[in-house]
Amino acid sequence: EDQVTQSPEALRLQEGESSSLNCSYTVSGLRGLFWYRQDPGKGPEFLFTLYSAGEEKEKERLKATLTKKESFLHITAPKPEDSATYLCAVRRAQGGSEKLVFGKGMKLTVNP
Amino acid sequence: DAGVIQSPRHEVTEMGQEVTLRCKPISGHNSLFWYRQTMMRGLELLIYFNNNVPIDDSGMPEDRFSAKMPNASFSTLKIQPSEPRDSAVYFCASSYGTGGLRYLMNTEAFFGQGTRLTVV
Repeated sequence: EDQVTQSPEALRLQEGESSSLNCSYTVSGLRGLFWYRQDPGKGPEFLFTLYSAGEEKEKERLKATLTKKESFLHITAPKPEDSATYLCAVRRAQGGSEKLVFGKGMKLTVNP
Repeated sequence: DAGVIQSPRHEVTEMGQEVTLRCKPISGHNSLFWYRQTMMRGLELLIYFNNNVPIDDSGMPEDRFSAKMPNASFSTLKIQPSEPRDSAVYFCASSYGTGGLRYLMNTEAFFGQGTRLTVV
């Protein structure tokens, strides 16, 4: 059975305090790992897609990396506006189609 | 583009009533997804269409739930009769899929703002 586990469930950082969020996964036929950001009362907002182990992508203070078992979202010198819930999802082949399975998310709070 | 548009944003209804949620995907996208989000279970895929055809409805909880996509720019999710346990935020998302039914693969999905459903 596919599993996506995010840790920690919640994280509080001081502004400027760098950290990493972990997404570990078990899936057969991986067709991509996705990171989304979700603000309260809004829909998830796409951040990154990673397809193969060793791949890295960056956007402002965020960098996502991928191994065969997990992905990390590194946050460098975070600001209060980075506070949000970060969702990880894996896409796998299913028959001739595909399915996106989400983790439960990690709530990040950055204090000024 | 205005993004994925969902209506209503909030819906409060009494148990037993019919509820219809609506979605307009991003123009040019040919895949549409309905998700449900709760604190306990997170985001769960309910049903997924490609080119207006349902591809995977294995996440639809039971026969009380039905979804349609009559054309490329509109989809509905209907719950009849509604129950308190259906209370959740329902999201619609769209993407572009290629490869046909045998090797379908989608670009990243873009989500709407969601409909918060409360069944009392």
